[in-house]
Amino acid sequence: GAVVSQHPSRVICKSGTSVKIECRSLDFQATTMFWYRQFPKQSLMLMATSNEGSKATYEQGVEKDKFLINHASLTLSTLTVTSAHPEDSSFYICSAPKGSLNTGELFFGEGSRLTVL
Amino acid sequence: QKEVEQDPGPLSVPEGAIVSLNCTYSNSAFQYFMWYRQYSRKGPELLMYTYSSGNKEDGRFTAQVDKSSKYISLFIRDSQPSDSATYLCAMSVSGNQFYFGTGTSLTVIP
Repeated sequence: GAVVSQHPSRVICKSGTSVKIECRSLDFQATTMFWYRQFPKQSLMLMATSNEGSKATYEQGVEKDKFLINHASLTLSTLTVTSAHPEDSSFYICSAPKGSLNTGELFFGEGSRLTVL
Repeated sequence: QKEVEQDPGPLSVPEGAIVSLNCTYSNSAFQYFMWYRQYSRKGPELLMYTYSSGNKEDGRFTAQVDKSSKYISLFIRDSQPSDSATYLCAMSVSGNQFYFGTGTSLTVIP
């Protein structure tokens, strides 16, 4: 069964509104979670690394004020797309390494498809 | 040069065929290697996980890592239509930063 759960799986919103996506590790604690964006028929693009209890680390070119990441507990990270615009429409996926980071075993959520009208 | 190279395909095979998927990489420090299967509009699903070199088998799937050649492979035996998906390779040095291939699109024809 799934070890990382992501919600909602699909969301449609109006331009200018904010959308929150949740990522939960189900049976393990994750001090780090990763957020990706994926365009059709393209690979995963890392947006940011979410760190429990501290600020997220954003990849170059990703607006941290637009994509707010909060990792308030060891099992939950959230991505909020603020003032969404149609160009933010995409497939957003989170992942978390299970157990110690040193094991390198990375699990993904089911993904969230965002459509901004 | 990209860290990880993967032929995007598409790859089309008849049902029952053996499928070979491959990735090459440039960083000799990679020691964690993973293969993911991703169905359309779904998150990637971890198929195989290998630490360092060698082979790993799980049912119809076999993962191989050749660190000397910087080459990893995923073999699918007796391929089924349900195996039709995009397969992503991924690798890591220490488990805190992951590098992904672009994915290979596979179609298994009944």
